[in-house]
Amino acid sequence: QVQLVQSGAEVKKPGASVKVSCKASGYTFTSYYMHWVRQAPGQGLEWMGIINPSGGSTSYAQKFQGRVTMTRDTSTSTVYMELSSLRSEDTAVYYCARQRTTLFFPWGWFDPWGQGTLVTVSS
Amino acid sequence: EIVMTQSPATLSVSPGERATLSCRASQSVSSNLAWYQQKPGQAPRLLIYGASTRATGIPARFSGSGSGTEFTLTISSLQSEDFAVYYCQQYNNWPTFGPGTKVDIK
Repeated sequence: QVQLVQSGAEVKKPGASVKVSCKASGYTFTSYYMHWVRQAPGQGLEWMGIINPSGGSTSYAQKFQGRVTMTRDTSTSTVYMELSSLRSEDTAVYYCARQRTTLFFPWGWFDPWGQGTLVTVSS
Repeated sequence: EIVMTQSPATLSVSPGERATLSCRASQSVSSNLAWYQQKPGQAPRLLIYGASTRATGIPARFSGSGSGTEFTLTISSLQSEDFAVYYCQQYNNWPTFGPGTKVDIK
């Protein structure tokens, strides 16, 4: 079955960087775009960006431009999200989610989601 | 950016009753709208896409309707496992989510 398994929880100090991984299985990795979405404690869902696992192209939400980098490793069917210059407001659960879409439409819905990775930023 | 709003913020419903959740977009998103259910400590789960198509394995008591800027998620007869937070998401452009509606037990 289609599954996204993320790396474990992280604790970082302000100013540091964090890199979260998301390993895909059960489908052709390069055939589906992948998104990253985060959720601060008790808050809603916030879209961060998208990566095309086939060519590696990315598009980031303006809020995270310059601080986020999404990459992929096709040999291990894994995507990565690195967020730099961490601040306390970046404390959140970070999810990867596979995009599904109708033919030729650039955007889509998310299914499935990874289990989430809690990143805590604290001095 | 397309701004999504949801109402009400909290909906108190008794088991077996009908729940109607609303989602509004700041501009037309056609039918490019999805609904998700999220329970505490879990990742969101896709319920509806294309405004009205149920995802695989989703019970028929969940239904979605609407197009353009106004959308509705209806749960026809609430079961105990349906008490959760529900989010709408538009994908007509860069994805954006509504703030969520919490459905709790009356």
